[in-house]
Amino acid sequence: AQRVTQPEKLLSVFKGAPVELKCNYSYSGSPELFWYVQYSRQRLQLLLRHISRESIKGFTADLNKGETSFHLKKPFAQEEDSAMYYCALASGGSNYKLTFGKGTLLTVNP
Amino acid sequence: EPEVTQTPSHQVTQMGQEVILRCVPISNHLYFYWYRQILGQKVEFLVSFYNNEISEKSEIFDDQFSVERPDGSNFTLKIRSTKLEDSAMYFCASSGSLSYNEQFFGPGTRLTVL
Repeated sequence: AQRVTQPEKLLSVFKGAPVELKCNYSYSGSPELFWYVQYSRQRLQLLLRHISRESIKGFTADLNKGETSFHLKKPFAQEEDSAMYYCALASGGSNYKLTFGKGTLLTVNP
Repeated sequence: EPEVTQTPSHQVTQMGQEVILRCVPISNHLYFYWYRQILGQKVEFLVSFYNNEISEKSEIFDDQFSVERPDGSNFTLKIRSTKLEDSAMYFCASSGSLSYNEQFFGPGTRLTVL
């Protein structure tokens, strides 16, 4: 069975500081991993996925199969990055389901 | 930009009552999902739906739950006899046809069972 672990429930940093949100996964197949973000009073939205290897809003995430990790990083946090971040693992092909971690609430202080 | 919509935003019901949560997925999407999030817990997969039938369902999705696409636009989740532990935020999502295409989420329906 697949599992996603986000060890930090809360993370607080100052504006301009680097931020890393941790995500570890457990899955017997080839993982497809995503980061979703939920800003205050907004819906869950996709931030980035590992297969597209892109940087969105300055965030990047690298899949490390050896460490079974998919940590989300940003070199210089901004106040508008304050949100709930969820790591999710997909399984099932086109009709895939997402297995979410518990989420990390990031607060970026001025 | 097209969005997934859900109604109502908040539903309060008595234990044992039936509820129907409604979703309008993005119009050209083919795959539909329900997830739920109990307060303070993780978002959990309930069911996926494609080509007018359930593709996969979780252990949570027992006989009390059913899904339907009654017309070309709506996608509903019915809970036949609600329990206190069904109180949660229920999210609908939809995605297109490409493998691991982005799932677009609705704003959620908060269900409170008294």
